[in-house]
Amino acid sequence: EAQVTQNPRYLITVTGKKLTVTCSQNMNHEYMSWYRQDPGLGLRQIYYSMNVEVTDKGDVPEGYKVSRKEKRNFPLILESPSPNQTSLYFCASSQTSGIVNEQFFGPGTRLTVL
Amino acid sequence: AQSVSQHNHHVILSEAASLELGCNYSYGGTVNLFWYVQYPGQHLQLLLKYFSGDPLVKGIKGFEAEFIKSKFSFNLRKPSVQWSDTAEYFCAVSPTSGTYKYIFGTGTRLKVLA
Repeated sequence: EAQVTQNPRYLITVTGKKLTVTCSQNMNHEYMSWYRQDPGLGLRQIYYSMNVEVTDKGDVPEGYKVSRKEKRNFPLILESPSPNQTSLYFCASSQTSGIVNEQFFGPGTRLTVL
Repeated sequence: AQSVSQHNHHVILSEAASLELGCNYSYGGTVNLFWYVQYPGQHLQLLLKYFSGDPLVKGIKGFEAEFIKSKFSFNLRKPSVQWSDTAEYFCAVSPTSGTYKYIFGTGTRLKVLA
């Protein structure tokens, strides 16, 4: 089954404790992206990747890191989480043919930073 | 700066009522346009998309949207809503050149009363 998976689905942590949220897709998509969803703000793009070893900042990259060492994986790293990073995070992937097409979303990771 | 505006944040309709959700974007170049839906407890899925050609596009579940280039708008419509259309709807744009960002609006929460 074609899908985007994220782990963990729920995470409660404390300020400053490094964490990684994993994202994996099995559709051989070039484009992968991370978003955070907050009430009243919709989805905001954190980082995206056009292909292996190619990443770029979205609109809200501060406090986050990403890496794309393999085509299927795109982990999101919070080196020193803070309470304002409490949010619902979605990973997505897409085919590209010079443009970014429809995105396929993972189930989301609800993160709480105390 | 690139942005997407959804003017209706909350909409409440009775079953069989007609629906129109507004979406306007701000971008100097050509864009691809999308509407996504997020049903309660689920992740986002594509309703419809516009890349080129006929500005009236039809999507799944009886939804359609019209791209009006002169107004930078891509409004979503459905002639007769059902209780199962209760969800949050997001408009999104992706520029066709210059950047691979993907920009979402803030979303419209639709509640359909049975």
